[in-house]
Amino acid sequence: QKEVEQNSGPLSVPEGAIASLNCTYSDRGSQSFFWYRQYSGKSPELIMFIYSNGDKEDGRFTAQLNKASQYVSLLIRDSQPSDSATYLCAVRIPGGYNKLIFGAGTRLAVHP
Amino acid sequence: EADIYQTPRYLVIGTGKKITLECSQTMGHDKMYWYQQDPGMELHLIHYSYGVNSTEKGDLSSESTVSRIRTEHFPLTLESARPSHTSQYLCASTRGGPSYEQYFGPGTRLTVT
Repeated sequence: QKEVEQNSGPLSVPEGAIASLNCTYSDRGSQSFFWYRQYSGKSPELIMFIYSNGDKEDGRFTAQLNKASQYVSLLIRDSQPSDSATYLCAVRIPGGYNKLIFGAGTRLAVHP
Repeated sequence: EADIYQTPRYLVIGTGKKITLECSQTMGHDKMYWYQQDPGMELHLIHYSYGVNSTEKGDLSSESTVSRIRTEHFPLTLESARPSHTSQYLCASTRGGPSYEQYFGPGTRLTVT
């Protein structure tokens, strides 16, 4: 079992719809959770992080964390074609050097 | 927003050459990281550093080496490049708690012919 699992996609949504991206993790001691956006050929860009159970909203983005279910999600409201990218889920596991474990990413395609 | 820089952005080099990939950040972050990512694949940690004169190997075995002589600078060196080293190399840093979010540089795309 991978430490961080994401559906590879592609997830295809129409412009203006809500895109829902999901991520599960295996280490119950995981402490912080991150969503990065990566355009093809570019480096990952931090969108949001969350470390408490519940929802965290930032503009069109909402991160949701459920530690009991070991599940974190990202909702993108009013999806735009410019949101088309690969979304990486990352989890900070316990340890001295604050290591992040990345999922393989979900490719999102927003079509007009 | 992070101020983290990598040079060169693209490098095509022949087998057997020695190369150094540069990474610098201006935020005073103690912790820095090198990742390797092949197209469409996951990021894998190859090196990290807690601070000056502190370096450790990451999860993915790599023939590269790193040094950390100054807080802002974390170069990666390949003594003898091989085609199997062809990949994208990403540098990241973090300021620390409470969430330890990492910020990435633009990356170096290395091709060894």
